[in-house]
Amino acid sequence: NAGVMQNPRHLVRRRGQEARLRCSPMKGHSHVYWYRQLPEEGLKFMVYLQKENIIDESGMPKERFSAEFPKEGPSILRIQQVVRGDSAAYFCASSPAGGPRDTQYFGPGTRLTVL
Amino acid sequence: GESVGLHLPTLSVQEGDNSIINCAYSNSASDYFIWYKQESGKGPQFIIDIRSNMDKRQGQRVTVLLNKTVKHLSLQIAATQPGDSAVYFCAENYSGGSNYKLTFGKGTLLTVNP
Repeated sequence: NAGVMQNPRHLVRRRGQEARLRCSPMKGHSHVYWYRQLPEEGLKFMVYLQKENIIDESGMPKERFSAEFPKEGPSILRIQQVVRGDSAAYFCASSPAGGPRDTQYFGPGTRLTVL
Repeated sequence: GESVGLHLPTLSVQEGDNSIINCAYSNSASDYFIWYKQESGKGPQFIIDIRSNMDKRQGQRVTVLLNKTVKHLSLQIAATQPGDSAVYFCAENYSGGSNYKLTFGKGTLLTVNP
């Protein structure tokens, strides 16, 4: 059973460009979470999605950031007009369809560097 | 501020010794706690969890202790091995708010010396 997949693993963007981060949950999981980790810090919750629904985006910056989890395909975290402060590791986690309080399993992350 | 934090940012132990990593939380409504291990360049890996109706839970070489009175959580690793070297995070979840949102502490770096 493959784990949570994320791609790309490393992404370099110049200021003002767009970044698209992809996450495929574990098989059978329909709940997806995105977290951001700054160097030497813990993970910070960004957004929680189920298929075609954003359940909680309270951790998302108000501007430039958006997320989706379409009926088909991976979840996408999109950052428009990136700035240097967006440089971080972005982790996706998924949990079983049994409920959001189930254990969250994390992917390997996408490390975004903004030049 | 953070509702979950760690007492020690770094911990260095000898191979074969037992390790204890501590974590404090401030939200008395928290009822689910998880320990994750994160190796360099990788995502957090689930180690063990515990719910607030328990005060101790054991896994393979790991034990989590929960003291709700002082809002303290600890992870004990028995016979620590070089492969245990990583950053360890505690995370909490509280039913009073968004019951799917994990709040992470800053992490403790465990270094195992051969």
